[in-house]
Amino acid sequence: KAGVTQTPRYLIKTRGQQVTLSCSPISGHRSVSWYQQTPGQGLQFLFEYFSETQRNKGNFPGRFSGRQFSNSRSEMNVSTLELGDSALYLCASSEQGRETQYFGPGTRLLVL
Amino acid sequence: QKEVEQNSGPLSVPEGAIASLNCTYSDRGSQSFFWYRQYSGKSPELIMSIYSNGDKEDGRFTAQLNKASQYVSLLIRDSQPSDSATYLCAVIGGSGNTGKLIFGQGTTLQVKP
Repeated sequence: KAGVTQTPRYLIKTRGQQVTLSCSPISGHRSVSWYQQTPGQGLQFLFEYFSETQRNKGNFPGRFSGRQFSNSRSEMNVSTLELGDSALYLCASSEQGRETQYFGPGTRLLVL
Repeated sequence: QKEVEQNSGPLSVPEGAIASLNCTYSDRGSQSFFWYRQYSGKSPELIMSIYSNGDKEDGRFTAQLNKASQYVSLLIRDSQPSDSATYLCAVIGGSGNTGKLIFGQGTTLQVKP
């Protein structure tokens, strides 16, 4: 099976702009979780989607949002970008009823 | 107190030695525990999951879980230079934490040839 894919892989934006990142889970996986990784804070949970519904949310401001489509693909959006949003954004997918998550390659976002 | 704690290292071991990586967690309701490996510039790669007290072996890797002590460890036998990476301990907490992995800061392992 193909692994988790994320697009784009690299992105440069300026403060105040918005960005949309995409994640396609492993075929058959219906749960998608998103994480932010920075050198200072490490890996932090953003949110998790299953069957187009957000089931869990981390402690991030409302500028961070997401959604999931009927084919389980997911997108996350960050509005009004700040310099501190520069990070590696990772998505991970898991099978229904299983907690093991498999990560995609990530999208590296740089905010200037 | 952080939810998941790891010694950041670096932990340096000679090639062929056993590397021991440790992790403690604060949520007593946690049921699922994972070890991921992350090479510099790459995404985390699953090594093992463990759910029950005791040891779980997979090749050169052994995960150990002690829920009473809230402690998880990973042993890497016959360490190779290719094992040099950051090892991340991750926990899914008690009820209401579906899909939410809580990660430690990671331990950097260096295996010297």
